Amino acid sequence: GAVVSQHPSRVICKSGTSVKIECRSLDFQATTMFWYRQFPKQSLMLMATSNEGSKATYEQGVEKDKFLINHASLTLSTLTVTSAHPEDSSFYICSARERTGEGTRTPYEQYFGPGTRLTVT
Amino acid sequence: DAKTTQPPSMDCAEGRAANLPCNHSTISGNEYVYWYRQIHSQGPQYIIHGLKNNETNEMASLIITEDRKSSTLILPHATLRDTAVYYCIVSTSGTYKYIFGTGTRLKVLA
Repeated sequence: GAVVSQHPSRVICKSGTSVKIECRSLDFQATTMFWYRQFPKQSLMLMATSNEGSKATYEQGVEKDKFLINHASLTLSTLTVTSAHPEDSSFYICSARERTGEGTRTPYEQYFGPGTRLTVT
Repeated sequence: DAKTTQPPSMDCAEGRAANLPCNHSTISGNEYVYWYRQIHSQGPQYIIHGLKNNETNEMASLIITEDRKSSTLILPHATLRDTAVYYCIVSTSGTYKYIFGTGTRLKVLA
């Protein structure tokens, strides 16, 4: 149980275009989803937190107009990188927190997706 | 800022126990310690978590000091497949956010 998928796993796009990444909780309802970015040989950096039906909360220094997050349902969140540039090339990872009390080990546990490798040329 | 500090790298001989330390001196009373690992180009994988007591599961053991300011993850018989970056995370009370530190890059040697 507690599987999170991401689509696509890998994407290459041209500079100036937008790309959408999907994050789905397959067998549970996710109250909260998180988006991280990871550059080579670096740790995961939290970009934003999204709660179903409400606006995402972005971490300091993350441009909300560039990284659009939509959490329209309890099983799907999307990250759209708008007007992508080569410096946006990175590994993007989502995670999901299960609704408290629904089979979770603790309320703070996050289940991670496999990641999406974005390359902007 | 991350609430944990870990050594940047460690080596361990295959078949031996790997002991990975983590300092979390500012941890609050209701905050959990989580351990995840990340194998190259994959999402983090859950290993174990604890609050106060030592914990053991099929993957590892977690030893938490009595004052809760540090913990040690123990992989009892490391294999080559345990080569990964190991992250110790303290849950952020009230926000559910994880702030990742730099982690420990464990290399298991044949």
